[in-house]
Amino acid sequence: QKEVEQDPGPLSVPEGAIVSLNCTYSNSAFQYFMWYRQYSRKGPELLMYTYSSGNKEDGRFTAQVDKSSKYISLFIRDSQPSDSATYLCAMKGANSKLTFGKGITLSVRP
Amino acid sequence: DAGVTQSPTHLIKTRGQQVTLRCSPKSGHDTVSWYQQALGQGPQFIFQYYEEEERQRGNFPDRFSGHQFPNYSSELNVNALLLGDSALYLCASSLGQGEPNEKLFFGSGTQLSVL
Repeated sequence: QKEVEQDPGPLSVPEGAIVSLNCTYSNSAFQYFMWYRQYSRKGPELLMYTYSSGNKEDGRFTAQVDKSSKYISLFIRDSQPSDSATYLCAMKGANSKLTFGKGITLSVRP
Repeated sequence: DAGVTQSPTHLIKTRGQQVTLRCSPKSGHDTVSWYQQALGQGPQFIFQYYEEEERQRGNFPDRFSGHQFPNYSSELNVNALLLGDSALYLCASSLGQGEPNEKLFFGSGTQLSVL
């Protein structure tokens, strides 16, 4: 079993839709949870960074962490074509090494 | 404020050759980490450098080695290249001495193709 599992894709939604992206993890030592966005031929860009269980909102993005269920989610409201990218969940424990999910490719249709 | 810069952007090598990739961290950052991202996969941690020393290492063979210079820039060296080494190599910088709460910022990567 991989330490981090991410819902497989690809995912295609119409513009304006609410998008839900999910990851589960098995390592209880993970304390910090991140979502990165990666455009084609670019490096990952940090979108959201959370520590505790609960919700964190930043504009159209909401990150949700449930440590008891070992489950994290990213919600995108009013999705735009510019949101089309690969989304990677990542997490880390007692050191700064990041463990990533496989990534999911999102396409937002105009 | 310059972000993380990597060179070259693309590289083609043949099996058995050696390659050196370079990274300049974001201004003010002192820690550099390297990741390998195979096609369709998430990045995998190779190693991290702080104060010119390797502080952490992932599950990669000794063919992968690195160096950090006094100005915090870093190199990744891969010897005896294999076809399976073809991937996007990402450099990430941070400020925090490898502490778990530090945030990592990535460069655009070097796309290595091994023929």
